[in-house]
Amino acid sequence: DAKTTQPTSMDCAEGRAANLPCNHSTISGNEYVYWYRQIHSQGPQYIIHGLKNNETNEMASLIITEDRKSSTLILPHATLRDTAVYYCIVRPWASGGYQKVTFGIGTKLQVIP
Amino acid sequence: DAGVTQSPTHLIKTRGQQVTLRCSPKSGHDTVSWYQQALGQGPQFIFQYYEEEERQRGNFPDRFSGHQFPNYSSELNVNALLLGDSALYLCASSFAPGQAYLNTEAFFGQGTRLTVV
Repeated sequence: DAKTTQPTSMDCAEGRAANLPCNHSTISGNEYVYWYRQIHSQGPQYIIHGLKNNETNEMASLIITEDRKSSTLILPHATLRDTAVYYCIVRPWASGGYQKVTFGIGTKLQVIP
Repeated sequence: DAGVTQSPTHLIKTRGQQVTLRCSPKSGHDTVSWYQQALGQGPQFIFQYYEEEERQRGNFPDRFSGHQFPNYSSELNVNALLLGDSALYLCASSFAPGQAYLNTEAFFGQGTRLTVV
């Protein structure tokens, strides 16, 4: 799996958009970008994933650059409950292989009232 | 619909002892993975089970072993516990690979906090 680089920590004001960057310059053509988050003392929670097009779901938006070497997770209106560690992961699509997920240190997002 | 459930939630063991942790996957999922998360670190992959066989393994010693049952539930066994085995142990379930028409992201349980003293 390709390696990712994320800032160690970020702050965001409540109600504002939180933009979490991730660099994955060695990503290969068959690798997807996944985002998970882990709220304190809980298991990681899947947020969103994408290949090359921007994606949006009820939780967040994922913007992937055209060269796919970086991406940004956007929480449009951050709340205190979004305070968590956010993990950016790149890995191949699961078909044809098993789903080992390699986590880094992640970004600790603190939403401030 | 129950998600991934793990038991027990907390456990204290003595160095040298053996421990068994249990995981029930999300309904409909047939693949179970185990992760170890030390304090302040991201989860580290231990191994993955599908069709009752270990399919992939991370960089963990043979003291770590597992099992998957016909109902897809799984156990993680750790022998000869070391102080360094103290961690949050996470179980994740998903659909098997090859089922590309299904959403294959992993769903995690709340974990078992193991403390070795």
